[in-house]
Amino acid sequence: GNSVTQMEGPVTLSEEAFLTINCTYTATGYPSLFWYVQYPGEGLQLLLKATKADDKGSNKGFEATYRKETTSFHLEKGSVQVSDSAVYFCALLLNAGNMLTFGGGTRLMVKP
Amino acid sequence: DTAVSQTPKYLVTQMGNDKSIKCEQNLGHDTMYWYKQDSKKFLKIMFSYNNKELIINETVPNRFSPKSPDKAHLNLHINSLELGDSAVYFCASGAGRSGNTIYFGEGSWLTVV
Repeated sequence: GNSVTQMEGPVTLSEEAFLTINCTYTATGYPSLFWYVQYPGEGLQLLLKATKADDKGSNKGFEATYRKETTSFHLEKGSVQVSDSAVYFCALLLNAGNMLTFGGGTRLMVKP
Repeated sequence: DTAVSQTPKYLVTQMGNDKSIKCEQNLGHDTMYWYKQDSKKFLKIMFSYNNKELIINETVPNRFSPKSPDKAHLNLHINSLELGDSAVYFCASGAGRSGNTIYFGEGSWLTVV
């Protein structure tokens, strides 16, 4: 079946530190890949996406590259801010079924 | 304008009650979904509708019944609420094609006491 695995949190960083949140997937077919973010007490917001191999999604200083050979979609940011504190979800979408399969979420805490 | 809106945002109710959560999208999407987020933040699909027809019905108690009066609306009815139903319920919509983004509502925080 289809699944997404992401690193368990919480990830605690100081402001301006480099961020990596690992995400790997298993899928039958060629999925689109997404990162969603959930700020405290809020809903899910799309952060970035990539629809095919070697695509790079980017938004708000975050980046992730679709790596088919390693079935990965790691999220990175060069310099995190306190306002980036949130839960980050990696997800995949396949044409069949058209539903998102989510990873377990990674909580990021950024300290001043 | 909010693309996917759901109401109520917060709901506290007693065990055994019946409640509904409403969802509407103004994106013209054909496909709508309900997801459940548990206390550990894990997200799981509950239902998927395409043009008012049920496409996906994951292992969900039959106390949960989705109703889609038209393709812009997908409401969730829950009968005989139990403590374990306490969770955040997210409505979402998408164009139903691979690569298209799925947009989420702000969530409905349900607490059963």
